This record gives sequence, structure tokens and C-alpha cells, in this order.
Amino acid sequence: QSALTQPPSASGSPGQSVTISCTGTSSDVGGYNYVSWYQQHPGKAPKLIIYEVSKRPSGVPDRFSGSKSGTTASLTVSGLQAEDEADYYCSSYAGSNNLIFGGGTTLTVL
Amino acid sequence: QVQLQESGPGLVKPSGTLSLTCAVSDGSISSTNWWSWVRQPPGKGLEWIGEIYHSGSTNYNPSLKSRVTISVDKSNNQFSLKLSSVTAADTAIYYCARQATGGIYSWGQGTLVTVSS
Repeated sequence: QSALTQPPSASGSPGQSVTISCTGTSSDVGGYNYVSWYQQHPGKAPKLIIYEVSKRPSGVPDRFSGSKSGTTASLTVSGLQAEDEADYYCSSYAGSNNLIFGGGTTLTVL
Repeated sequence: QVQLQESGPGLVKPSGTLSLTCAVSDGSISSTNWWSWVRQPPGKGLEWIGEIYHSGSTNYNPSLKSRVTISVDKSNNQFSLKLSSVTAADTAIYYCARQATGGIYSWGQGTLVTVSS
């Protein structure tokens, strides 16, 4: 199976909103509500920020939100802050007990 | 909150076998979670390797399935990864993690494994 497609980069100014897309197929993103998003700062392990398309783990600010339409999932970061500058990865259940990731998006806060 | 810590050799020779162990603390490996391995080549994205349940049931990434074995040691609250016939392309940071249906909820700090002679 192929990796999910994410834009390599995204950017926004402090206080603005930015949306990162994650495109798959009907066999993964489009077929299941098991899309999750991870934030990774340099030299650190990834951190779960969204699971099951739009749910936030405890402690994750509500500035982070997730959605899905068809075979494309999206992560929106509202009220951008300097600390949001990081790499973001989506993942999806892909059937047959398999999990796939997107290629990652580097978010720059201008 | 469960804690995970990877351990194992940081250098493996080409054609050899990569072996890593993940110690689980502040939680039981026999809980209703799957325990997984994810890797990240330097400067690149994440790749799911596979997962194991405390019963021993496993699922593997189809692209790595022929070379991967994940096992569980309930008595020591840990699980392990073996990847055979390694090449330079297997050089990566290897993370162990706690996985459930919705996503990967907890991650170890990661350990860099370099494949080189």
C-alpha cells in the first residue's frame, strides 16, 4: 500500500489558522474513521494530537481539530502559536490489520 | 500513563539481524492494548512495522513481513522486535509504542539503529 499524501510544507502567522490535508483512498482514509494525527518536534518522539478523525486526547488544546471528507482528512490548527512549529503526520487504518502514515508536513510559524 | 523504553545495539552489520526490546512501565503489557514498533529513517517520515497483543497475536506491515518478528515477554513486561537481513535502508530511529484502534497513544523516546560494516 502507498503512503498517504500530505503537502511537504505549510505556514501561517501567529494567530492565524492553517489546514493540513491528508489524502488516501477508499481502502484507508475513505473506508474507516480511524485517522489520527501526530505532532513531532525536532529530536522528539511523535505525540498523538487527534484520533478517530476528530477526537482530542486529554491535554491537547482545542486549537487542534480534525475532520474528514471522502478520502481526504484534514488537520486544522487555529490561533497559531510559535510552539506549533513542528512536523505533522497523519495515519490511517488500511484494512487487514495494517496502519499507514502520510509523508509528513512541516509547519512553519512565520 | 504507561512509559516505554527501547534498548538494543545501536550498530548492526549488513545482512545481520536487528534486535530491540521495549520495556513497559507504569502499566501492564497484558492490558487491552496492542504494542507496536514504528521506525523513522533520518530526516524522513514514519513507517509502521507491526504490532503484538499480549496473547501473542501479531500483525505486520506487508512490505516488511518476511523479515520481521515481534514477540512478547509477559513475565518481564516487555516486547521485542527482530528484523533480519538488514541493509543500509533499515537505518532509522526505532520507536516502540502503545497502540489502540484509534491511533498510537504512547511512544518511547526512540533509539537510533545504524546498519553499517
